[in-house]
Amino acid sequence: ILNVEQSPQSLHVQEGDSTNFTCSFPSSNFYALHWYRWETAKSPEALFVMTLNGDEKKKGRISATLNTKEGYSYLYIKGSQPEDSATYLCAFYNTDKLIFGTGTRLQVFP
Amino acid sequence: DTGVSQDPRHKITKRGQNVTFRCDPISEHNRLYWYRQTLGQGPEFLTYFQNEAQLEKSRLLSDRFSAERPKGSFSTLEIQRTEQGDSAMYLCASSLSSANTGELFFGEGSRLTVL
Repeated sequence: ILNVEQSPQSLHVQEGDSTNFTCSFPSSNFYALHWYRWETAKSPEALFVMTLNGDEKKKGRISATLNTKEGYSYLYIKGSQPEDSATYLCAFYNTDKLIFGTGTRLQVFP
Repeated sequence: DTGVSQDPRHKITKRGQNVTFRCDPISEHNRLYWYRQTLGQGPEFLTYFQNEAQLEKSRLLSDRFSAERPKGSFSTLEIQRTEQGDSAMYLCASSLSSANTGELFFGEGSRLTVL
């Protein structure tokens, strides 16, 4: 059974704080690792699709790194804003489907 | 907007009733997925279609669940004889099989509450 784990489960930070989350996944038969942001009452939205070991991707204040050999990815948010409050999901791509972790729920207080 | 749409957004039903959810994918996408998300969990894969063919079903999909995609466009997910444990958010997503990184485009989900 393929297992994708995320930590922490939840995080509360003050506006302006930087934060990071971890996703661990099987290191064998790697194909792609996805990060999604899911805001309340909206649809999950893709942030990054990462395929190569050592990949680093950035979108505004959010960035992600990937280590396929040891099976982990980090998501960083620099200078968190209240609008960053959401659940951040990582997903491992395997046999034509995504296997999701349980997510990290981020709340940013003004 | 031509994103993935799901209907209804919310459904409250009594235990034992049947419910059906509909998903309209992005029109040019040939793959359609159903996921279920319960409190404290990430989305769990249920099933997916490529065009009208159902290619994989999770063991989570008991015989009370059935999904169809008759013309390779919209899909329905039916739950018969609902149980309280079926209460969840049911998410639909679509993709192009040629986009081999597996990126999915999700709808906003259908939230089911079974009383």
